[in-house]
Amino acid sequence: DAKTTQPNSMESNEEEPVHLPCNHSTISGTDYIHWYRQLPSQGPEYVIHGLTSNVNNRMASLAIAEDRKSSTLILHRATLRDAAVYYCILGVYNQGGKLIFGQGTELSVKP
Amino acid sequence: GAVVSQHPSRVICKSGTSVKIECRSLDFQATTMFWYRQFPKQSLMLMATSNEGSKATYEQGVEKDKFLINHASLTLSTLTVTSAHPEDSSFYICSATPFGARNTEAFFGQGTRLTVV
Repeated sequence: DAKTTQPNSMESNEEEPVHLPCNHSTISGTDYIHWYRQLPSQGPEYVIHGLTSNVNNRMASLAIAEDRKSSTLILHRATLRDAAVYYCILGVYNQGGKLIFGQGTELSVKP
Repeated sequence: GAVVSQHPSRVICKSGTSVKIECRSLDFQATTMFWYRQFPKQSLMLMATSNEGSKATYEQGVEKDKFLINHASLTLSTLTVTSAHPEDSSFYICSATPFGARNTEAFFGQGTRLTVV
C-alpha cells in the first residue's frame, strides 16, 4: 500500500486559514487522495477526496500537485471545532472503502 | 448523510469472557465493512475486512480465532472478541461504504471503547 507522510502536529489561530500538507510520492495512477479527521473518542469523519483536480466542498479545499506526489488540505477559516487529527490516505482503487491510516497531523486551534 | 452505528459505545468485561460489538449501516447496504482498532495516542489499525455472506479477510498479525467477524446481512457486521484479555482493551471502530460505490467516502461508526479487567 502506498504511504503518506504528514507532520505530526500543527498549530493554528482561530479564524485563520490552515494548510495541512501531505506527501505521497509513491502514489499510483488510480489512487484517490482522501482526507479524514478524527475528534477525540470519535470515529473518523470524511473531509474531502480527489484524484487529479483540486476539489472544494463546504468543509475544505484539496489542492493536488500536478505530479500528484503531494497534496494540501486547506481549511479556509479554522474554528475551535476543527481541532482534530487529520489523516491523509490513499484509497486503493480496487479495494473500495479500505483505508490504511498513517499517523496523521494533530491540529490544535488557538482562540 | 449516511450513518453507521456501533453498539455498544462502551463495554467493560472480565478477562476470559467474550464481547460482541455490532456495526450497522442504517440507511444503506454494504457488502463490505471494515474493522479497525485504535490504541491511545495511536492511529487506526485495520484489523479485517468483513464480507457479507463469506469469510472475513484478516490483516497480517490479527488472530482470526480471537476476533470473530460475522457479516450476516447487508446492514450488519459483528466483531466478537473472544477470551478477552486486558491487552485487548482498545477503541474498536467499524466503517462501511455503500454497495456499488468505489472511491467515495467511507462512513465510520462512533467507536466502541472496550475495557477488559
